[in-house]
Amino acid sequence: SQKIEQNSEALNIQEGKTATLTCNYTNYSPAYLQWYRQDPGRGPVFLLLIRENEKEKRKERLKVTFDTTLKQSLFHITASQPADSATYLCALGLYNFNKFYFGSGTKLNVKP
Amino acid sequence: GAVVSQHPSWVICKSGTSVKIECRSLDFQATTMFWYRQFPKQSLMLMATSNEGSKATYEQGVEKDKFLINHASLTLSTLTVTSAHPEDSSFYICSASWGGGELFFGEGSRLTVL
Repeated sequence: SQKIEQNSEALNIQEGKTATLTCNYTNYSPAYLQWYRQDPGRGPVFLLLIRENEKEKRKERLKVTFDTTLKQSLFHITASQPADSATYLCALGLYNFNKFYFGSGTKLNVKP
Repeated sequence: GAVVSQHPSWVICKSGTSVKIECRSLDFQATTMFWYRQFPKQSLMLMATSNEGSKATYEQGVEKDKFLINHASLTLSTLTVTSAHPEDSSFYICSASWGGGELFFGEGSRLTVL
């Protein structure tokens, strides 16, 4: 069966450290993978997109890697801040940008 | 830019009534709109994909007669929950795409059916 797995346990880290979140998938062949941030009671906000032929993407303090052999993406937030505390969702996009499927998200808590 | 407005943000209704939720892309034309449902601490579950002027494509297990989706224009899609029951209570979120890969989400609509 198709699965998109993110660590269901909250990730607690100290301010200033690097947070690393994992997204693993099975039985999908995504054309690209995205990461979103979701705050409680709000809709997700787009952060980064990485295509299947890209290994790494960066945007300010964010870095995403995409390994289609391992079927895994890693999402890094460097120099984390309490304001980074939120739930982070990965999403797989199929060809033609026609469908998107989301993981269940990992809650990140950055403590001052 | 790329703002998606969803209305209402919350609604309470009696069992058996119908509820309509609107999703508008305010500053871009959305070739495709998606409707998701989210239970507490769970993933966004794709319900259906809609393209302007054509019938929505529903995911397996989603009742198309219960969740009516209309995508009348490139900036408006509506989801109508017909004959709502308490088990339909959930957080419904729409998103819109202009075809570039990223999704722009509405703020979500919290439906409570009494």
